[in-house]
Amino acid sequence: GAVVSQHPSRVICKSGTSVKIECRSLDFQATTMFWYRQFPKQSLMLMATSNEGSKATYEQGVEKDKFLINHASLTLSTLTVTSAHPEDSSFYICSAIRAGGQETQYFGPGTRLLVL
Amino acid sequence: LAKTTQPISMDSYEGQEVNITCSHNNIATNDYITWYQQFPSQGPRFIIQGYKTKVTNEVASLFIPADRKSSTLSLPRVSLSDTAVYYCLVGDYNQGGKLIFGQGTELSVKP
Repeated sequence: GAVVSQHPSRVICKSGTSVKIECRSLDFQATTMFWYRQFPKQSLMLMATSNEGSKATYEQGVEKDKFLINHASLTLSTLTVTSAHPEDSSFYICSAIRAGGQETQYFGPGTRLLVL
Repeated sequence: LAKTTQPISMDSYEGQEVNITCSHNNIATNDYITWYQQFPSQGPRFIIQGYKTKVTNEVASLFIPADRKSSTLSLPRVSLSDTAVYYCLVGDYNQGGKLIFGQGTELSVKP
């Protein structure tokens, strides 16, 4: 149990376009999901906390208007990178905490974004 | 959130036991300690979690001293496939579960 999926696994887009990444908890309900970004040879950087039914909480320095997060259901959170630029190219990873008190974050496989 | 400090890298050989120690001097009373493994271009994979003393599962053991200011992940008889980055994290899941990743330890297992 505790499987988290992401779609797409990789995406290439032109500069200026928007890209949506989905994060799903497949076998559990998640009241809280997190979005991270990871550059090559670096650690994961927390971007935002996504709570079902409410607005996401963004970390300092992360533009909320550029990285739109929607957590419309207990199994789905989406991250939309708006007007993507080459510097947004990165590995985006989501994680989820099982609703009901399970105290572990389960991570998705990640999405590789390349902006040309 | 408590900050963690780990060695940047470690080398080992197949079949050896590997112990990775993490310092978290500012750990709070409600904080749990969790270790993750990450392979290149993959999301982190949960290894083990504990609060105090010793925890063991099918892949690793976690040793936590009484003061909880450090923890040691023990991987018995490593293989080449254990080459990865290992992250130690401290967080209070009762406060939303937010985790801040440190630099991690890059473990290299050689034949």
